[in-house]
Amino acid sequence: DQQVKQNSPSLSVQEGRISILNCDYTNSMFDYFLWYKKYPAEGPTFLISISSIKDKNEDGRFTVFLNKSAKHLSLHIVPSQPGDSAVYFCAAKGRNAGGTSYGKLTFGQGTILTVHP
Amino acid sequence: AAGVIQSPRHLIKEKRETATLKCYPIPRHDTVYWYQQGPGQDPQFLISFYEKMQSDKGSIPDRFSAQQFSDYHSELNMSSLELGDSALYFCASSFDGSGPYNEQFFGPGTRLTVL
Repeated sequence: DQQVKQNSPSLSVQEGRISILNCDYTNSMFDYFLWYKKYPAEGPTFLISISSIKDKNEDGRFTVFLNKSAKHLSLHIVPSQPGDSAVYFCAAKGRNAGGTSYGKLTFGQGTILTVHP
Repeated sequence: AAGVIQSPRHLIKEKRETATLKCYPIPRHDTVYWYQQGPGQDPQFLISFYEKMQSDKGSIPDRFSAQQFSDYHSELNMSSLELGDSALYFCASSFDGSGPYNEQFFGPGTRLTVL
């Protein structure tokens, strides 16, 4: 079962506008969420994270919002730039049923963002 | 800044052969994770090590084994390779000594092709 879901396989936006990437999760044991950006032939690069005790975290052009009750998070990029074009993965981690493991990441399927000049 | 190093970057093997993938974490990182990304799929967690001990295990086949050495580098050993093992294998490292909520830094991956 897909515990982290990114329902939009792709998103296309104009340079300078806002990009909003969405992510839903089902596992209530997740308590830390991360966004990674991936270019072809490279490994995922960490962008921004948020703990479940917060509802917003901002870093420059990137802001992540977390709605725990809806089990939903989103990544806002503003303004979007052509260099932001990449695959964006939402990832989550938390304790397992035994309460012992919290290191491994569970990824969503990714969203391909294309920013047009 | 030093990044996670993976070798080799590309590997071609025949069915039933063995393969060894290597990962060198960022200096002072104590935790290594292995992920497998099949074509068009999201990365799937395989196994992790913290301070040279296995810390968690995911969907890793019994044909695969891994370990973390005294210098913190890790090796993923894959035997009796199958066509379905063709994938991108990522290694990630983090410093979890101060707690688990640290970002993982990923290497560039090893692309394994099984013919």
